[in-house]
Amino acid sequence: EAGVTQFPSHSVIEKGQTVTLRCDPISGHDNLYWYRRVMGKEIKFLLHFVKESKQDESGMPNNRFLAERTGGTYSTLKVQPAELEDSGVYFCASSPGTGRTSVIWKNIQYFGAGTRLSVL
Amino acid sequence: GNSVTQMEGPVTLSEEAFLTINCTYTATGYPSLFWYVQYPGEGLQLLLKATKADDKGSNKGFEATYRKETTSFHLEKGSVQVSDSAVYFCALSGIGGTSYGKLTFGQGTILTVHP
Repeated sequence: EAGVTQFPSHSVIEKGQTVTLRCDPISGHDNLYWYRRVMGKEIKFLLHFVKESKQDESGMPNNRFLAERTGGTYSTLKVQPAELEDSGVYFCASSPGTGRTSVIWKNIQYFGAGTRLSVL
Repeated sequence: GNSVTQMEGPVTLSEEAFLTINCTYTATGYPSLFWYVQYPGEGLQLLLKATKADDKGSNKGFEATYRKETTSFHLEKGSVQVSDSAVYFCALSGIGGTSYGKLTFGQGTILTVHP
């Protein structure tokens, strides 16, 4: 079974440009999460999809970030325009749905290898 | 809100030494607790987890016990190997409101094991 895959593995762009990160979750996983680790600090939550719906986007830093999950399969995270402080590693994770939100917290999240974004 | 405080590294040990990485948390209710590991060039992998007080998670010789009275989930291994060199993250998953499922991480601890 394929794991969570993320593209690209590394992206180098200039300030002001646009970058789109992609995440392919494990097939059949309804829950998809985006996280970010900036400059060796803690990994921080960005948002959570349940199928194609945004369940929680409280961690999105500002409106330069746009996440989509059309059809409830893969997801994209677009940064437009990119700023220097957006540099970091962006992780995607997925977990199976249970049909009961009260036990989602027990489900293991499977992570991708991450996309390292460097904004110059 | 939820938070995780993790022992700062880096930690450098000789092979077969005893390892402890401290982790304490702040959360409402009864969160699930996790240790994730990131080996060089790879993504995060779940190392072990515990979902209720006094549970002990274990895997690959690593152990951690969910201590609600001290709000801690310290990672231990009796004899480390060079292959254990990695970054270790303590994390919790809370309940209530819209926090179902999302993980709150500690800062990560870099472990280097020398032969």
